[in-house]
Amino acid sequence: AQSVTQLGSHVSVSEGALVLLRCNYSSSVPPYLFWYVQYPNQGLQLLLKYTSAATLVKGINGFEAEFKKSETSFHLTKPSAHMSDAAEYFCAVTRPHFGNEKLTFGTGTRLTIIP
Amino acid sequence: ETGVTQTPRHLVMGMTNKKSLKCEQHLGHNAMYWYKQSAKKPLELMFVYNFKEQTENNSVPSRFSPECPNSSHLFLHLHTLQPEDSALYLCASSQGSDPSNEQFFGPGTRLTVL
Repeated sequence: AQSVTQLGSHVSVSEGALVLLRCNYSSSVPPYLFWYVQYPNQGLQLLLKYTSAATLVKGINGFEAEFKKSETSFHLTKPSAHMSDAAEYFCAVTRPHFGNEKLTFGTGTRLTIIP
Repeated sequence: ETGVTQTPRHLVMGMTNKKSLKCEQHLGHNAMYWYKQSAKKPLELMFVYNFKEQTENNSVPSRFSPECPNSSHLFLHLHTLQPEDSALYLCASSQGSDPSNEQFFGPGTRLTVL
């Protein structure tokens, strides 16, 4: 089975500061990893995904994440926070080519931007 | 309409009521999903349909009954629900049911069971 752990259910950063949202995964095989974002009163939207190509993945809205196998991590970063980044962020994992595998989500991290 | 739409957006029902949630996707996808989102818990996959055929039932109680009449529409029929079923129910679609494919989500139906 696979799982993800998101450290910190709430993160607050000042506008213009670095955003760092943490995700650690557990998987018996090399995983595929995802970050989704959920804005208020909306569904989830894919930010970026890692599928075993480049370990540094760039996504939409200036976000990026780095797959680190040695640390079993896939942390999400953005150099400079914007007010519009306030949302809930979900890390997710799946095992590719593994039969009827499903996408397993973390519990989410709510990001607040301080003006 | 574009993307994935869900109706109603909010629903309050008693434990003896019968209601249905509707999802429609305008993306030409062939896989559709129901998820349950509760506070402080990970998203829970409930059902997966691929080309109108159910391919996943994640041990969901029978008081939840899905229906997929075609690749564009997905329903969740509800009856004799419990208060712990109160949650945000999200519908999603993707091109193929491979979990590595991007899933597109609707805005959800906020369900309250009294």
